[in-house]
Amino acid sequence: QQQVKQSPQSLIVQKGGISIINCAYENTAFDYFPWYQQFPGKGPALLIAIRPDVSEKKEGRFTISFNKSAKQFSLHIMDSQPGDSATYFCAALGYSTLTFGKGTMLLVSP
Amino acid sequence: ETGVTQSPTHLIKTRGQQVTLRCSSQSGHNTVSWYQQALGQGPQFIFQYYREEENGRGNFPPRFSGLQFPNYSSELNVNALELDDSALYLCASSLAGAGGYNEQFFGPGTRLTVL
Repeated sequence: QQQVKQSPQSLIVQKGGISIINCAYENTAFDYFPWYQQFPGKGPALLIAIRPDVSEKKEGRFTISFNKSAKQFSLHIMDSQPGDSATYFCAALGYSTLTFGKGTMLLVSP
Repeated sequence: ETGVTQSPTHLIKTRGQQVTLRCSSQSGHNTVSWYQQALGQGPQFIFQYYREEENGRGNFPPRFSGLQFPNYSSELNVNALELDDSALYLCASSLAGAGGYNEQFFGPGTRLTVL
């Protein structure tokens, strides 16, 4: 049973465009929703995170939108850059453990 | 402040063997979680250790076991290796009991190949 569903599986965006990655969760016990960025050969690095009592959080070019009633959240990367090319994972934290989505491979073309 | 480190970087074993992977937590962190990341997949939670005791376990068989030491470093042991155990094994450390959310910081992982 996949508790966090992520889409799309892959995404190609032109430089300067907006990248959007969506996630949906099932377990209402989740109480913290981080996004991780992973480059090949590296471990995931925390990018940005949101609590369920907040509908939006912005840090630089990265924004999380959160819809508690729909149990959905999304990552928006504004002004996407080639250096943003990586795999992005949404996750949900419950009982101190993280449940990850399957990941989105983002390619930003120059 | 040092980040999470893992050793070895890469490892090749044959089916049926046993393996031990090591992790050093980020300075000041008291909790370690281990994840298995198969190729093209998201990390899957194996177990977590807090104050040297297992504090939660995912859907992994008992041949996956672990230890946490007084200095909060940790080991992941896998017995009777199977081909499907080939994956990137990630260690993440966090600080529990400090209030707020226990953000987890990941190491670079150990790439295990089982032949």
